[in-house]
Amino acid sequence: GENVEQHPSTLSVQEGDSAVIKCTYSDSASNYFPWYKQELGKGPQLIIDIRSNVGEKKDQRIAVTLNKTAKHFSLHITETQPEDSAVYFCAASSRDSNYQLIWGAGTKLIIKP
Amino acid sequence: NAGVMQNPRHLVRRRGQEARLRCSPMKGHSHVYWYRQLPEEGLKFMVYLQKENIIDESGMPKERFSAEFPKEGPSILRIQQVVRGDSAAYFCASSSGTGGGYEQYFGPGTRLTVT
Repeated sequence: GENVEQHPSTLSVQEGDSAVIKCTYSDSASNYFPWYKQELGKGPQLIIDIRSNVGEKKDQRIAVTLNKTAKHFSLHITETQPEDSAVYFCAASSRDSNYQLIWGAGTKLIIKP
Repeated sequence: NAGVMQNPRHLVRRRGQEARLRCSPMKGHSHVYWYRQLPEEGLKFMVYLQKENIIDESGMPKERFSAEFPKEGPSILRIQQVVRGDSAAYFCASSSGTGGGYEQYFGPGTRLTVT
């Protein structure tokens, strides 16, 4: 079946350094790839997304890159800050339905002061 | 523009009771998804609904669980005869479902505790 693999499961970086989280998807028909941030006790929040006709998208300190040939996409956070500490989830659109997402297992990002 | 609303935020039920979780989607959104999340784990899809229709309930247990999204009012996730294993956070998300939009916006969740 369709699946999305996300790595690493935990990432610890020094404040000010960059963080990179990677996801690989299996469905070649996937064409939408969002990233969500979940803080403790809260619901996931959409932080950035990319569609298959674009290779990279940036929004201030965060960026997402997509390699359709290799079927992987990555989240890049530069100049990390304490408030970036959270769990990050990637997802990919499902072939079976235009409106469903297949989710990665999540990455716990820890920013060390 | 109000976001996705869920209530109650916390719900405590004794084993055997019923739990009823409500979700009001964002204004203009007609697609609702329910997810379950255990502590330190990812999101598990349960059910996808449009107004008055269940589109996909493949992630929802066949027994004790049901969901609806009526023409008027919020979407309801109902768990009958709750057991301790039902304790989890339940999140609802909504999307417009138009223009090829897949964006799902989440509510704050309902944390169900079964004692």
